[in-house]
Amino acid sequence: DAGITQSPRYKITETGRQVTLMCHQTWSHSYMFWYRQDLGHGLRLIYYSAAADITDKGEVPDGYVVSRSKTENFPLTLESATRSQTSVYFCASSGDGMNTEAFFGQGTRLTVV
Amino acid sequence: KQEVTQIPAALSVPEGENLVLNCSFTDSAIYNLQWFRQDPGKGLTSLLLIQSSQREQTSGRLNASLDKSSGRSTLYIAASQPGDSATYLCATLMDSNYQLIWGAGTKLIIKP
Repeated sequence: DAGITQSPRYKITETGRQVTLMCHQTWSHSYMFWYRQDLGHGLRLIYYSAAADITDKGEVPDGYVVSRSKTENFPLTLESATRSQTSVYFCASSGDGMNTEAFFGQGTRLTVV
Repeated sequence: KQEVTQIPAALSVPEGENLVLNCSFTDSAIYNLQWFRQDPGKGLTSLLLIQSSQREQTSGRLNASLDKSSGRSTLYIAASQPGDSATYLCATLMDSNYQLIWGAGTKLIIKP
């Protein structure tokens, strides 16, 4: 299916465990992003990538790791999950150029217990 | 540091009314401003993108305006329908980096 898909949609994990959230897009968009959405904070950028093998930190990168070996995939890993990382995570992609719209996945609701 | 504010946080209006959602920002050095819609439990859908050199953009019943000098944007929804009920978010893309800075959103309820 065309579009941007995230998996899993829901995840419960324990404090200290490593968790990887997956993101896949079918448009060959250059740019990909990971956001977290929390009540009281809105959407905040965790990491972004301008192309395969190029990633950069956003506003709240601590505790997260990303990689982008292929254009279409942009996984986000929580190396040692903490309760403060309980959130809804959104992946997005956009094409080249600053004035291209962003397309969002459905989100992953992560609960760290 | 850019701050984006959306007031009110929630709005409830009867079906058929025209309405305006507000978005204000503190740093006018933006590349563009974007409006998104978010339905409960779902991702965000891009509605309109206004480049910094533009004053407004229209799509169907939606019209977004941008006034950089005053740090304001509005989203006008004509003839509102229950299907318009959602949370509407605005975001600015900064000149300095490829980052969208988001408002907290306005939750809109259209009563049948």
